[in-house]
Amino acid sequence: GQNIDQPTEMTATEGAIVQINCTYQTSGFNGLFWYQQHAGEAPTFLSYNVLDGLEEKGRFSSFLSRSKGYSYLLLKELQMKDSASYLCALINQAGTALIFGKGTTLSVSS
Amino acid sequence: DVKVTQSSRYLVKRTGEKVFLECVQDMDHENMFWYRQDPGLGLRLIYFSYDVKMKEKGDIPEGYSVSREKKERFSLILESASTNQTSMYLCASSFERPQETQYFGPGTRLLVL
Repeated sequence: GQNIDQPTEMTATEGAIVQINCTYQTSGFNGLFWYQQHAGEAPTFLSYNVLDGLEEKGRFSSFLSRSKGYSYLLLKELQMKDSASYLCALINQAGTALIFGKGTTLSVSS
Repeated sequence: DVKVTQSSRYLVKRTGEKVFLECVQDMDHENMFWYRQDPGLGLRLIYFSYDVKMKEKGDIPEGYSVSREKKERFSLILESASTNQTSMYLCASSFERPQETQYFGPGTRLLVL
């Protein structure tokens, strides 16, 4: 089967850097997504990693190590609007759908 | 911009009622998905469809059925609603395989009394 682990909650202050980790177990890796979800809203796409390494997109970066079953989302220059849940998701073994982690709720304070 | 719409934002139903949740996407996407989201459990896949009239069970299909008669529309049906189906229901679509980004609708918060 597949299993995804993320911390439940994290806190940080404006202007800081935060790293949200995601570890997973799967017998067949097809790719990993990060989504952002503000309270009461739909998830929105942040990043997709299928190869090892760091993908940078402005203030957000995502890293993948397939050999370690590990990914992280790095948020720089935190802003209050970054307070949200961050969802790690794997493509399932059949390659037909996503399996989501339970999400990490990030609270950014001033 | 991709747009995924859901028929209701909030819905209150009674136990035993038949409930229809509808989802429409306007970008000619092949794949459509229904999830439910509960505190502490995250997003869980109920059913998905990769083509008209095609459907596949997700992780928690019990108590639900789906219908996809047209490419743009994917309906989730609760044949006889129960209180444990109180949840946030999210629809999503993607162009082809899940390697493509999924676009989510705003969600329907369903309360079953």
